[in-house]
Amino acid sequence: NAGVTQTPKFQVLKTGQSMTLQCAQDMNHNSMYWYRQDPGMGLRLIYYSASEGTTDKGEVPNGYNVSRLNKREFSLRLESAAPSQTSVYFCASSLAWVSYEQYFGPGTRLTVT
Amino acid sequence: TQLLEQSPQFLSIQEGENLTVYCNSSSVFSSLQWYRQEPGEGPVLLVTVVTGGEVKKLKRLTFQFGDARKDSSLHITAAQPGDTGLYLCAGGQEYGNKLVFGAGTILRVKS
Repeated sequence: NAGVTQTPKFQVLKTGQSMTLQCAQDMNHNSMYWYRQDPGMGLRLIYYSASEGTTDKGEVPNGYNVSRLNKREFSLRLESAAPSQTSVYFCASSLAWVSYEQYFGPGTRLTVT
Repeated sequence: TQLLEQSPQFLSIQEGENLTVYCNSSSVFSSLQWYRQEPGEGPVLLVTVVTGGEVKKLKRLTFQFGDARKDSSLHITAAQPGDTGLYLCAGGQEYGNKLVFGAGTILRVKS
């Protein structure tokens, strides 16, 4: 039982390049989330998927897109990376949209030069 | 926009000392969660409080939710080096699971 897994763990991109961050959970959770964590700013919600087949914007969605591929997988895409997107990205899941407990993956450290 | 302010931002103490971390907002939250994060890992939930005035204890950690559900505190008794980490508070909204996170308190406990 791996919980929430994320790939890759580290990535360096040049400005303008694109990439997809992958996230998968094996807990049969219905809701999944993408956050970014920057020094001094805590975690900020980028996008979330309350249930399979639905996605919604969070606090900081600009420059990102998401896909809820199936119940297990939720990917985050950067179409044209910018230095402002340098951050640590966390995927999380919860049993349901109204569940309090969110389980986080280990994170992806992204640097855009 | 709902904001959560945590204080202090950084705390360095000796093993055995007590400490309190605060989480304050001008907004009302339906729930308040505390997470602990270690370097290179994702946050791990410590506790959720949902009722104004609620107090929960987890071994040496005591969590309190303010009566008006706008603030919370985390008190650690007799801190140990294993308590070292980033402590995050997160407020839950009236419906759904969109959390608002504080910036965090970095705790370092020296032996």
